Amino acid sequence: DTAVSQTPKYLVTQMGNDKSIKCEQNLGHDTMYWYKQDSKKFLKIMFSYNNKELIINETVPNRFSPKSPDKAHLNLHINSLELGDSAVYFCASLGPQETQYFGPGTRLLVL
Amino acid sequence: GENVEQHPSTLSVQEGDSAVIKCTYSDSASNYFPWYKQELGKRPQLIIDIRSNVGEKKDQRIAVTLNKTAKHFSLHITETQPEDSAVYFCAAGPNDYKLSFGAGTTVTVRA
Repeated sequence: DTAVSQTPKYLVTQMGNDKSIKCEQNLGHDTMYWYKQDSKKFLKIMFSYNNKELIINETVPNRFSPKSPDKAHLNLHINSLELGDSAVYFCASLGPQETQYFGPGTRLLVL
Repeated sequence: GENVEQHPSTLSVQEGDSAVIKCTYSDSASNYFPWYKQELGKRPQLIIDIRSNVGEKKDQRIAVTLNKTAKHFSLHITETQPEDSAVYFCAAGPNDYKLSFGAGTTVTVRA
């Protein structure tokens, strides 16, 4: 059950800090995503990369910067963390037949 | 872009009864309609999906129906069990690799 993995699983940090979340998939998929799930459980898409190229960039503060060093990895760097950034961040990859496979999530708490 | 509305937001059913969740979508070009189940503290996982060339699909106790003319689709869970308690998300797409998710339905199965 480690097809899509994320690190860290939990992240507690102070306002103003910079942090990164990493995602890796071993499914050979070309497309990966970052979602933010807030306390009301709404899944909001943030970014998507296809073969290392940015293809979806929703209205997200530019403090969030995704990076895809290769098609198996999609990392998310967040600068100057704010209280409102507290959420669960899910990485996902797109398989055949349009199925999205989610990672286990990273629970970010900004104090 | 695609807009998906999901109802109800919460649903409480007696064990053994049926549960129905309904979604509507706005983009007639959408042709793929998955349903994801998210248990508490876990990742969303695909439980069933349907494509626009099919009106109904069933997998054991879960079934999905699609009405393309009316732009709505529904999830039906029969003979509910405590392990069916979770948040369920509908989605529609894809539109340029993007799935649009509904806001989720929290289902509680009472023993």
